[in-house]
Amino acid sequence: AQKITQTQPGMFVQEKEAVTLDCTYDTSDQSYGLFWYKQPSSGEMIFLIYQGSYDEQNATEGRYSLNFQKARKSANLVISASQLGDSAMYFCAMRDRGNTPLVFGKGTRLSVIA
Amino acid sequence: ETGVTQTPRHLVMGMTNKKSLKCEQHLGHNAMYWYKQSAKKPLELMFVYSLEERVENNSVPSRFSPECPNSSHLFLHLHTLQPEDSALYLCASSQVGLAEYNEQFFGPGTRLTVL
Repeated sequence: AQKITQTQPGMFVQEKEAVTLDCTYDTSDQSYGLFWYKQPSSGEMIFLIYQGSYDEQNATEGRYSLNFQKARKSANLVISASQLGDSAMYFCAMRDRGNTPLVFGKGTRLSVIA
Repeated sequence: ETGVTQTPRHLVMGMTNKKSLKCEQHLGHNAMYWYKQSAKKPLELMFVYSLEERVENNSVPSRFSPECPNSSHLFLHLHTLQPEDSALYLCASSQVGLAEYNEQFFGPGTRLTVL
């Protein structure tokens, strides 16, 4: 069974600083995908970034990058130059190859301080 | 309309009421999902429909009844709910296949309060 662990219930970061949100995962599958979603107070889940288990390079998407360390089974999200609008819940998720739904972690609440 | 839409956005109901949540996806996907998000809990997968057939039901109480009349529409029928069923109900869709990269697109959710 797949499992996602996010150990930081809440994080604070100063505006314009970088922040790392932790995510570790557990799976017996060799092929899988890792995802990060953002959920603002409005409730909608917004897809941010994806990393495939066989991707050799860390994924990047604008100010978001994924620090993928396969041997440690970690997929941390790095947000550079934080903005006030980044304040939200952030969820790490994974799925294996095929039709299985995403498995989500408990999330981390990020608060950006001016 | 684009993406995934959900109606209503907010719903307050009594324990004896019957109501339905509606989800519609405009992305041409072939799978749809219902999730429940309670305070301080991970997202709980409730139902999965792939090609309009239910493929997963994670032991959800029978007071929740899903319906998927076609690949674009998904309903969640509610009856005799309990106060602990108050939560944000999220609908999602994706294109399932062999690729592991099947991003799920989410709707804005319905915030349900059961009195």
